[in-house]
Amino acid sequence: DAGVIQSPRHEVTEMGQEVTLRCKPISGHDYLFWYRQTMMRGLELLIYFNNNVPIDDSGMPEDRFSAKMPNASFSTLKIQPSEPRDSAVYFCASSFPGQETQYFGPGTRLLVL
Amino acid sequence: RKEVEQDPGPFNVPEGATVAFNCTYSNSASQSFFWYRQDCRKEPKLLMSVYSSGNEDGRFTAQLNRASQYISLLIRDSKLSDSATYLCVVNGGGSDMRFGAGTRLTVKP
Repeated sequence: DAGVIQSPRHEVTEMGQEVTLRCKPISGHDYLFWYRQTMMRGLELLIYFNNNVPIDDSGMPEDRFSAKMPNASFSTLKIQPSEPRDSAVYFCASSFPGQETQYFGPGTRLLVL
Repeated sequence: RKEVEQDPGPFNVPEGATVAFNCTYSNSASQSFFWYRQDCRKEPKLLMSVYSSGNEDGRFTAQLNRASQYISLLIRDSKLSDSATYLCVVNGGGSDMRFGAGTRLTVKP
């Protein structure tokens, strides 16, 4: 079975540009999570969805960040405009109905210059 | 105060050693607890859940102390392949999982 798929795996962009990160959860999973990981702050939950509906976006740092889940097999996290402090590894994770175990994708390494 | 706190380490131990990590959490209403493992430049993966009665999986033992709000992970007979960062995870309710910053372990020959 394919795990959680994320793209791109690496992204280098310049400050002010729009960045779109993509995630395909494991088929049948009804929860989808977006995390950000940095050395300074560790792994932070940004937002999570249940059945495509955003449940808690209190971790989204500011209005420059937005996330969507138009269907059960696809989600995006968008940063517009990007800033150097957004540089981090962004992980997407999903979980099966009724289970707490989260399965993480390989992450997207973002560098904003 | 952070919701989940861990000693960042690094812990440098020889092969065959026993090593223990602790983790404290602030939310007394937390319902479930886990240890995840993260290898360098990889994603976190579930290592084991932590049950109130304590649980063991081979060389790994996890324990929970609700009264003192801490969780522990014990690794016996360390292997080189155990080198990784170990993340303590606490679920405060629903799907609100809070990750500790991780404890880095290096096992040396």
